[in-house]
Amino acid sequence: QQQVKQSPQSLIVQKGGISIINCAYENTAFDYFPWYQQFPGKGPALLIAIRPDVSEKKEGRFTISFNKSAKQFSLHIMDSQPGDSATYFCAADRAQTGANNLFFGTGTRLTVIP
Amino acid sequence: GAGVSQSPRYKVAKRGQDVALRCDPISGHVSLFWYQQALGQGPEFLTYFQNEAQLDKSGLPSDRFFAERPEGSVSTLKIQRTQQEDSAVYLCASSPDRGNTEAFFGQGTRLTVV
Repeated sequence: QQQVKQSPQSLIVQKGGISIINCAYENTAFDYFPWYQQFPGKGPALLIAIRPDVSEKKEGRFTISFNKSAKQFSLHIMDSQPGDSATYFCAADRAQTGANNLFFGTGTRLTVIP
Repeated sequence: GAGVSQSPRYKVAKRGQDVALRCDPISGHVSLFWYQQALGQGPEFLTYFQNEAQLDKSGLPSDRFFAERPEGSVSTLKIQRTQQEDSAVYLCASSPDRGNTEAFFGQGTRLTVV
């Protein structure tokens, strides 16, 4: 059973546009929600993360929006660039209990067209 | 080293062969994780170490999978009697301490069982 559901599976955006990737979860014990970026042949790298005590976190062109009541969170990439073309994974974890088992979504392959 | 190092990068095994995958975490990192990433999927948790103690092995798919970290640094994931369904990228990640959930991933070992 997929603990974290991610959509869309793939996304094509024009340079300068906004990329939006959505995730949903069921387990209310999750309290840490990171996004990872993965380039071909590389391991995932942490992009940005949020905890449920805030509804939004912004770092540069990347913003996470978090809706605790709906159990949904999303990644917005503003002014998308060709270098952003990669696979993006949302994930969830129960950080406060000391658990370190990240549950990943199935990934979104983003292509930014110049 | 500067990051998490995994070896070999690629491994081709004949069905039934035993394999050993190595992970060198970032120096001083207490926590170490193994994940399995099937083609086109998100990573799935296999096992977690805190120093030399294996605290969670709930993700290991069968008793053919075994992991160890005897001195609390380098870890080895061993797969006995490999099967075709074991073909995947095996990712290792480490983090500085038990409560810190930012996991730094290696590039992975791509295992192909023929």
